[in-house]
Amino acid sequence: DTGVSQDPRHKITKRGQNVTFRCDPISEHNRLYWYRQTLGQGPEFLTYFQNEAQLEKSRLLSDRFSAERPKGSFSTLEIQRTEQGDSAMYLCASSFSGVRSYNEQFFGPGTRLTVL
Amino acid sequence: DQQVKQNSPSLSVQEGRISILNCDYTNSMFDYFLWYKKYPAEGPTFLISISSIKDKNEDGRFTVFLNKSAKHLSLHIVPSQPGDSAVYFCAASAIGRGGKLIFGQGTELSVKP
Repeated sequence: DTGVSQDPRHKITKRGQNVTFRCDPISEHNRLYWYRQTLGQGPEFLTYFQNEAQLEKSRLLSDRFSAERPKGSFSTLEIQRTEQGDSAMYLCASSFSGVRSYNEQFFGPGTRLTVL
Repeated sequence: DQQVKQNSPSLSVQEGRISILNCDYTNSMFDYFLWYKKYPAEGPTFLISISSIKDKNEDGRFTVFLNKSAKHLSLHIVPSQPGDSAVYFCAASAIGRGGKLIFGQGTELSVKP
């Protein structure tokens, strides 16, 4: 399977704990995106990378959130001191940015986070 | 502010009929639009897209129409099949913004046999 993969698929944690999620994009894709989706809403943009450079972060991404993409391959999203409001589906997507200006993003299955 | 809006949370159609899902946007800088389909417990799956230089794009049973003056797009599914039952999201991006997508709230389509 050469699609976007995410790990873990589900995470239950207690408030105040730190959690880390991993995303493996489609191998030839140079852009990687993180989104968050809550019930009844569409995905909301959090941040994106082009290769290893983090080029934009949403205001939604508080200082408790940090994302990395070492070597421009997989990415991790860490949430420190989790709060109940962090409970959501965290989605990763990847795309290829080349000569063509517009490229579809392909999403992984998501990580469902529940903060108790 | 909700830059992309899907005002119908749900839509029910009969198998074989046409499904029309609507989406409105407010940001005139958006120049690329996409539709995604989402099943429960899965990530969104890309369906079809359209650039702002076009007003129609067709792929099999799926057609997307773009009306730039009205800042409105629609997805037509003909004929609708029970397997089309899912949540449909429209999304938009603006050139120079790295492909960042702004999503609508979604419309849940139910196709009844």
